[in-house]
Amino acid sequence: DGGITQSPKYLFRKEGQNVTLSCEQNLNHDAMYWYRQDPGQGLRLIYYSQIVNDFQKGDIAEGYSVSREKKESFPLTVTSAQKNPTAFYLCASSVGQPDNEQYFGPGTRLTVT
Amino acid sequence: AQKVTQAQTEISVVEKEDVTLDCVYETRDTTYYLFWYKQPPSGELVFLIRRNSFDEQNEISGRYSWNFQKSTSSFNFTITASQVVDSAVYFCALRGRRTGNQFYFGTGTSLTVIP
Repeated sequence: DGGITQSPKYLFRKEGQNVTLSCEQNLNHDAMYWYRQDPGQGLRLIYYSQIVNDFQKGDIAEGYSVSREKKESFPLTVTSAQKNPTAFYLCASSVGQPDNEQYFGPGTRLTVT
Repeated sequence: AQKVTQAQTEISVVEKEDVTLDCVYETRDTTYYLFWYKQPPSGELVFLIRRNSFDEQNEISGRYSWNFQKSTSSFNFTITASQVVDSAVYFCALRGRRTGNQFYFGTGTSLTVIP
């Protein structure tokens, strides 16, 4: 089945450690996105990528980094510079045309203590 | 500027009641696209509907209906005869033709359907 996979579902890390969240899609979508969701809040864009080897900062990119070496993969690294990393992280993808919707992965809940 | 406002933070209804979720948007694009997503407790967002700015026809899909009015910049979502399974957070989103691939989400409305 086509879709987006994120792993793991739950992730626990100690403060000061970098952690990488995985996002893979087999929908042949050009664009991929990372969002952060805090309890009771909406989605905030961290980074997005429209094509391989290219990505743009979203509204809250500080303390995060990404890569897009393959069309199917868009991993997100939460660095130790991110002040409040505990959150729910959602990956999404879409066809590159503006009239197409995004498809979302199941999300990764990151807890940093 | 692109902005989506969902003024209703939380709504509770009793099962079988109708409920309308409001969405107001701002954009300078003349061509844009509006979306509704459902986020059940599992967390994954599920796409419900897409509407482009040239199509103001209302749409009905089973118990769901959408009312798009450009004159008031609104794209409201109505659930008829609500069911417990409708309990979720609902997000409205905007994508402008000129802003490329970036989506703008509202803060969501949490709907609780009480049995």
